[in-house]
Amino acid sequence: EAQVTQNPRYLITVTGKKLTVTCSQNMNHEYMSWYRQDPGLGLRQIYYSMNVEVTDKGDVPEGYKVSRKEKRNFPLILESPSPNQTSLYFCASSSPGQPQHFGDGTRLSIL
Amino acid sequence: RKEVEQDPGPFNVPEGATVAFNCTYSNSASQSFFWYRQDCRKEPKLLMSVYSSGNEDGRFTAQLNRASQYISLLIRDSKLSDSATYLCVVNFWSGGFKTIFGAGTRLFVKA
Repeated sequence: EAQVTQNPRYLITVTGKKLTVTCSQNMNHEYMSWYRQDPGLGLRQIYYSMNVEVTDKGDVPEGYKVSRKEKRNFPLILESPSPNQTSLYFCASSSPGQPQHFGDGTRLSIL
Repeated sequence: RKEVEQDPGPFNVPEGATVAFNCTYSNSASQSFFWYRQDCRKEPKLLMSVYSSGNEDGRFTAQLNRASQYISLLIRDSKLSDSATYLCVVNFWSGGFKTIFGAGTRLFVKA
């Protein structure tokens, strides 16, 4: 089954404790992207990747890192999380310019 | 001005009604356009792509007007199950392939 898998689905953690949200896709898509969704603001792009070892900033990259060492994986790293990064996060993948397939989302709470 | 703007609604309509959503975008170099549907706390799911010639999928019709830089979604014979948030999505090239989501339009269909 074609899918985008994110883990964890839910996480409550504390300020400053490094965390990684994993994202994996099995559709051989070149393009992968991370979004955060906040009430009233919609989905905002954090980082995206056009292919292996090619990443670029989206609209809200501050406080986040990503890597793309393999085509199927695109982890999102919060080196020193802060409460303003409490949000619902989605990973997505697609062929360039095509509709994106989304993971189920990760609800992150940072205390 | 936001890059992609939608009327946030909510739209409250009775079953069987026809409802139309509009979305405007600011980047004239935008290349591909989509409508997504998002249910509460779930991942966005592709509803339909939008083409210049217009396209229809059952009760749903999408239109693109490049000259005026807007896209529209028409839902005929609304069902209770159409209640959701509808997201307008625009892709464009800007040193990389970027995706901008509108903030979404909330639809409530009532019996």
